[in-house]
Amino acid sequence: DAGVIQSPRHEVTEMGQEVTLRCKPISGHDYLFWYRQTMMRGLELLIYFNNNVPIDDSGMPEDRFSAKMPNASFSTLKIQPSEPRDSAVYFCASSLEGQGADTQYFGPGTRLTVL
Amino acid sequence: GQSLEQPSEVTAVEGAIVQINCTYQTSGFYGLSWYQQHDGGAPTFLSYNALDGLEETGRFSSFLSRSDSYGYLLLQELQMKDSASYFCAVPGAAGNKLTFGGGTRVLVKP
Repeated sequence: DAGVIQSPRHEVTEMGQEVTLRCKPISGHDYLFWYRQTMMRGLELLIYFNNNVPIDDSGMPEDRFSAKMPNASFSTLKIQPSEPRDSAVYFCASSLEGQGADTQYFGPGTRLTVL
Repeated sequence: GQSLEQPSEVTAVEGAIVQINCTYQTSGFYGLSWYQQHDGGAPTFLSYNALDGLEETGRFSSFLSRSDSYGYLLLQELQMKDSASYFCAVPGAAGNKLTFGGGTRVLVKP
């Protein structure tokens, strides 16, 4: 199993630019999560999907952030326009219904730097 | 809401034992998970306790006391490769959503 795949691994952009982060969950998993990790705020859940449907987006910081899951094998997190405070590592994770709420499998993350 | 408290940092020498405590406040409790994250890496699942007591997995053990809203992760026979951050986490009532603690950075010295 390839695990959760994220791209790009690193992204450097300038303030005001649009940023799109991509995630491919583990095949067969029906939950997908987007997290953001910073030194100041720790690991924060931004949004999660169940069977491609957004369930809880209460962690999305503001309207500049949006996430989609057009099919079971692909999701995007978009920031438009980006700001320096968005600099963080963004993780995607997936899990399987019935496996319990305990086990999530994380991708390698995308390190975003907004100048 | 959910909140979890754990120490920010622990230092120990190789071969020693380290206990990382986690206290939680939740609206409904379904279990306590532990994740490990090496610098520059992704969190990886270590253990999960749904019931009171001790769960042992090799050198690592996890304990839960639901009456005390408390759990801990025990790292035994510490090795240099155990230097990492360790997070406790609790699932919510809806789906598989997890809330993470702030993490405990463990530094293992020779």
